[in-house]
Amino acid sequence: DTEVTQTPKHLVMGMTNKKSLKCEQHMGHRAMYWYKQKAKKPPELMFVYSYEKLSINESVPSRFSPECPNSSLLNLHLHALQPEDSALYLCASSFRTSGVGKFSDTQYFGPGTRLTVL
Amino acid sequence: AQKITQTQPGMFVQEKEAVTLDCTYDTSDQSYGLFWYKQPSSGEMIFLIYQGSYDEQNATEGRYSLNFQKARKSANLVISASQLGDSAMYFCAMREEGWKGAQKLVFGQGTRLTINP
Repeated sequence: DTEVTQTPKHLVMGMTNKKSLKCEQHMGHRAMYWYKQKAKKPPELMFVYSYEKLSINESVPSRFSPECPNSSLLNLHLHALQPEDSALYLCASSFRTSGVGKFSDTQYFGPGTRLTVL
Repeated sequence: AQKITQTQPGMFVQEKEAVTLDCTYDTSDQSYGLFWYKQPSSGEMIFLIYQGSYDEQNATEGRYSLNFQKARKSANLVISASQLGDSAMYFCAMREEGWKGAQKLVFGQGTRLTINP
C-alpha cells in the first residue's frame, strides 16, 4: 500500500485567516515533504522532514509553518496568506531522505489540497 | 546545478498506439535516480517508474518502460498500447542530493499527453 492522505481536499480562506493542511502516511516512511504547485507548472519543493526534524526549508515565507508531530503526520499551518499563495499543495513521503535505489528514493504523493486565498 | 528537460509541451496520440515521452537530464553526479510521474487533472502525482544510474537494464512496469541511454543522458518514457485513461500531464524528475543528505527531486516542465479515441 503506497497511500498518502491529505485533508482537506479543497480550502478557501481569507488573507486574515489561520488554517492548517494535514498529511498522513502509514507506510513507515521517515521522510515527508511539502510541495507547492501552480497551474501548468511542476511542483516546487517547500519543506523536507527527515526523522521528524526539519531538514530542508526552501526559503519559504514564514506565513507557512510546517510541523511534524510524529513520523506519520505532517501539518502545514497557514497564516496571513496572499492571493498569490493560491495553488495545489502536495504532500509526499519516502522511506528515507538519503540512499540509492527505488526503495529508498521514491516519493509517493498524496492527492493534494487545492487552496484558494481570497 | 542539475536540470531536467522535457521538450514536448503537448502530445496527441491515437488510442492503442505506443507513445514515447522525451526526457533529457544534466548532472555531474555518478549516482542518481530518474523518475516518471503521471498527474491527471485530479491533481495527484502518481509514481510510474524508476531508473537508477547504475541499473544496467531498462526499467519496466507493466505498460511503462524507460528507455535509458546514459551516454546521451536521456530517460524517455514509453507507454505501450495507450488507453484513454493515460491522458494526463507527465513529469520526468531526478533525485538531487541536497544538504544534510536530504534528497530533492528536480522536475522537468512536463508533457501533456492526450489520447484520442
